[in-house]
Amino acid sequence: SAVISQKPSRDICQRGTSLTIQCQVDSQVTMMFWYRQQPGQSLTLIATANQGSEATYESGFVIDKFPISRPNLTFSTLTVSNMSPEDSSIYLCSVEEQLNTEAFFGQGTRLTVV
Amino acid sequence: GQQLNQSPQSMFIQEGEDVSMNCTSSSIFNTWLWYKQDPGEGPVLLIALYKAGELTSNGRLTAQFGITRKDSFLNISASIPSDVGIYFCAGQRAGNNRKLIWGLGTSLAVNP
Repeated sequence: SAVISQKPSRDICQRGTSLTIQCQVDSQVTMMFWYRQQPGQSLTLIATANQGSEATYESGFVIDKFPISRPNLTFSTLTVSNMSPEDSSIYLCSVEEQLNTEAFFGQGTRLTVV
Repeated sequence: GQQLNQSPQSMFIQEGEDVSMNCTSSSIFNTWLWYKQDPGEGPVLLIALYKAGELTSNGRLTAQFGITRKDSFLNISASIPSDVGIYFCAGQRAGNNRKLIWGLGTSLAVNP
């Protein structure tokens, strides 16, 4: 399976600031996704990162708050903008190597907003 | 958003015991996936199921894709301390809407 590296692994940020999370895969993958996992909760899909075009956002998530880039088949970024304490979560990058295959996850970015 | 019904929510067992957890849905899925998440890590795929009735093993883990395509279970035999973690099921439909639908997780604690 693809090896997925997320940076940073954790961060503590001031409210009102923005943080960009990077996801690097060691091979080209078809699909890349961003999830949020709030403390003690299950995973919630934020958006599908589309190569060379705007991401597809799920209900409740908007581009202004969570801008996403995917310039190629191995890299994507998620920015958490104008952060508030409610944004404190684990953010996870996920990939599917080919269509209709299993999803694999990075180790996650643990974000704390103070 | 939609979530799967995963049970039990938590389990506390003795080392060596067998464990069973399951997920149910009101709708049909084409794929069932089982993941384990350790603290501070992302979910790790344990077993993937693609066909109704399919029974698949991965070491001490066994999972089945329900005949109705609306449920799946995961069994862990002879549990060991490193089985501790949170287990998630996820279902995926066919077609264009391939978003994974997640269970709420089963937290497993193993007493050595």
